[in-house]
Amino acid sequence: GQQVQQSPSSLVLQEGENAELQCNFSSTATQLQWFYQSPGGSLVSLLSNPSGTKHTGRLTSTTVTKERRSSLHISSSQTTDSGTYLCAIDREGNTRKLIFGLGTTLQVQP
Amino acid sequence: EAAVTQSPRNKVAVTGGKVTLSCNQTNNHNNMYWYRQDTGHGLRLIHYSYGAGSTEKGDIPDGYKASRPSQENFSLILELATPSQTSVYFCASGDHWGSQNTLYFGAGTRLSVL
Repeated sequence: GQQVQQSPSSLVLQEGENAELQCNFSSTATQLQWFYQSPGGSLVSLLSNPSGTKHTGRLTSTTVTKERRSSLHISSSQTTDSGTYLCAIDREGNTRKLIFGLGTTLQVQP
Repeated sequence: EAAVTQSPRNKVAVTGGKVTLSCNQTNNHNNMYWYRQDTGHGLRLIHYSYGAGSTEKGDIPDGYKASRPSQENFSLILELATPSQTSVYFCASGDHWGSQNTLYFGAGTRLSVL
């Protein structure tokens, strides 16, 4: 089964609202990354957060490694935040291989 | 700025034909990757490489070959393309996995096999 599960699968917000995205994984991970995929398809890394809490701009990620879960909080959402957010972990023992979740598709309405 | 360039961006191939997808990175990264992305499956790893001359099988390597002739270039080869290989393919590069490192993706190649 899918080793990285993300929820919700989709989310619709009004501009200015906050978003909370969840990532649960079934295997031990030494690395965890959040990626953003634009509606046009391009992928960029948002942040790497294997444990603890990390902030960048309006994004906050909290990872609880022993509970195998991570969250991504987007504050004061903007229409340009619309797209798909992907969570990825490395496979135990092979930090060069990433497993991706199916993503959360976020739509921010004006 | 880190850059990963894929070519072609779009490709239509016939069943049984040979397809080569090319990827070039200017990041001087050791590791390069080929993923495909399909609805319901997400991004899946096909092949990856630790450096020039090396290729490793990912999770779904059947029907694909890879070639890493240099640090900068990593190709994905479909010797006998099938309709099931219709997908969007992404190349990525990255270095030693650490909290400060990340993957840089190309813009993707949309392949249709008819």
